Amino acid sequence: EIVMTQSPATLSVSPGERVTLSCRASQSVSSDLAWYQQKPGQAPRLLIYRASIRATGIPGRFSGSGSGTEFTLTISSLQSEDFAVYYCQQYYQWPPLTFGGGTKVEIK
Amino acid sequence: QLQLQESGPRLVKSSETLSLTCSASRGSINSGTYYWAWIRQAPGKGLEYIGSVYYNGNAYYTPSLEGRVTISIDMSKNQFSLELRSVTAADTAIYYCARNENWFDPWGQGTLVTVSS
Repeated sequence: EIVMTQSPATLSVSPGERVTLSCRASQSVSSDLAWYQQKPGQAPRLLIYRASIRATGIPGRFSGSGSGTEFTLTISSLQSEDFAVYYCQQYYQWPPLTFGGGTKVEIK
Repeated sequence: QLQLQESGPRLVKSSETLSLTCSASRGSINSGTYYWAWIRQAPGKGLEYIGSVYYNGNAYYTPSLEGRVTISIDMSKNQFSLELRSVTAADTAIYYCARNENWFDPWGQGTLVTVSS
């Protein structure tokens, strides 16, 4: 099973700041990585797949990068609606499909 | 745009079977392109993959639940289902269904299932 590790667990940020979230895989997953956003009381929403492709309707301030074992989700200028928990997920080797533990982006 | 909706009992007694159904609307699950998946989230915790089913009925499960879980598909009803047997309090969670094209999109709104003793 491929273990996904996200850091940090919590990030305190001011609106307008640039945010960088990290996700590490226990072995190479090539570019088979997705990112999700989850707001309180809501289901997760797909942001990024294939490490860097934005899903339909996702604003351009969200970008993904990386390959192999190291991945990054960047929010170029944090908006109020971006405060949420973010998860990465690998699909290189399954079952099982595996998620990281999440990074909570909170208001500073 | 495809929409998914979970349904089933919200309260299940310990040692019994949790059964949920995911109904698709505005689209068909009869596709060889996608799998159909269940994911859960314990209160205040992260996301846990349960398993996926293909349109032909082939299913794959996370190892930690294999032996207790069955995911099935009924294309005539445009639905797929989850059965989790011998539940304990540790199975209390929000259960989500989702279309699974490697990644998950879209998701149902989720349903909280509580296991009571």
